[in-house]
Amino acid sequence: EAGVTQFPSHSVIEKGQTVTLRCDPISGHDNLYWYRRVMGKEIKFLLHFVKESKQDESGMPNNRFLAERTGGTYSTLKVQPAELEDSGVYFCANAGSGRYNEQFFGPGTRLTVL
Amino acid sequence: RKEVEQDPGPFNVPEGATVAFNCTYSNSASQSFFWYRQDCRKEPKLLMSVYSSGNEDGRFTAQLNRASQYISLLIRDSKLSDSATYLCVVNQGYSTLTFGKGTMLLVSP
Repeated sequence: EAGVTQFPSHSVIEKGQTVTLRCDPISGHDNLYWYRRVMGKEIKFLLHFVKESKQDESGMPNNRFLAERTGGTYSTLKVQPAELEDSGVYFCANAGSGRYNEQFFGPGTRLTVL
Repeated sequence: RKEVEQDPGPFNVPEGATVAFNCTYSNSASQSFFWYRQDCRKEPKLLMSVYSSGNEDGRFTAQLNRASQYISLLIRDSKLSDSATYLCVVNQGYSTLTFGKGTMLLVSP
């Protein structure tokens, strides 16, 4: 079974530009999560989709971040306009089928805002 | 107080050594617990879930103490390939994961 994939693997943009990150979850998995790690900090939750609905977006930093999951398949996370503090690694994850809600992560997108 | 706290290390150990990592969490309502492993510039990978009774997977043993809000990971007979950052992760019941900053392990020949 293919794992979670993310695109692009790296993105370097200038402050004020827009970037869209994509996550393709494991086929058939309803739960999709976005997390972020900024330098020197722990990985932090951004939001949770169940199919196409936002179940919890309490971790989104501000309204410059917009996540979508049209049709309940792949998801995008757009940052507009990007700021320097948005630099970090953005991970997408699927939940497994276990009772403990184990989550499996994609390789991440490393975003650098200059 | 941070939600999940870990000693950042690094822990430098020789091959074959036994090493233990500890983690404390602040939310007593936390429901499930995990150890993830993260290699440099890679994604976190699930190492093991931590069950109330404690559990073992080969050279790895995880323990949970709910009363003290404490989780541990023991690695026996360390291998060079065990070098990584070990992340203590807690699910507080809302399905989202809360991560510690990780403990770095360096195993040397």
